[in-house]
Amino acid sequence: GAGVSQTPSNKVTEKGKYVELRCDPISGHTALYWYRQSLGQGPEFLIYFQGTGAADDSGLPNDRFFAVRPEGSVSTLKIQRTERGDSAVYLCASSTSGREDEQFFGPGTRLTVL
Amino acid sequence: DAKTTQPPSMDCAEGRAANLPCNHSTISGNEYVYWYRQIHSQGPQYIIHGLKNNETNEMASLIITEDRKSSTLILPHATLRDTAVYYCIVKPSGSARQLTFGSGTQLTVLP
Repeated sequence: GAGVSQTPSNKVTEKGKYVELRCDPISGHTALYWYRQSLGQGPEFLIYFQGTGAADDSGLPNDRFFAVRPEGSVSTLKIQRTERGDSAVYLCASSTSGREDEQFFGPGTRLTVL
Repeated sequence: DAKTTQPPSMDCAEGRAANLPCNHSTISGNEYVYWYRQIHSQGPQYIIHGLKNNETNEMASLIITEDRKSSTLILPHATLRDTAVYYCIVKPSGSARQLTFGSGTQLTVLP
């Protein structure tokens, strides 16, 4: 079946611009997670949704970062006034109710802020 | 969640068993040990998890010491496609919670 998909695969933007990153989880998965990964490091948690609501957003670095999941499936990570330090791979994962131990990851979106 | 310690890198000959160690000396009674791997330019992939008993699936075996302070992931017959960064993570099971990744072990399988 289809896995987690993320679009775009690559995004290049200029400092100060606004970007949106999209995640399509596996159909039926109730939990959705966003992570970001800098070069040479492990993924770092940002936010996770249970259904439509953000169950834990403690990993968002500041108020320039925001994420939504209005219908409990697709999620969008929004970054305002991008900075060069936001450059990273943004990963999305989902898991199903009753099997939360296994998170399925997408291929990520590589964001480059010039 | 408890902290884990892994060697930064390891090599293994193709066809041989790869044994990847992980220390988690501060693990709590309700925390499980999880292993994920990340092949270059891909998202992480779940491998296996366990509490205190040894576990085996089609990908690997997980050996957890009796005191639960360390564990070993075993890939019985490593192939070139097993070259990846392997992450050992501890967290409570049974709930949707974020994973806390460390730096992992870069395993290189040599031909």
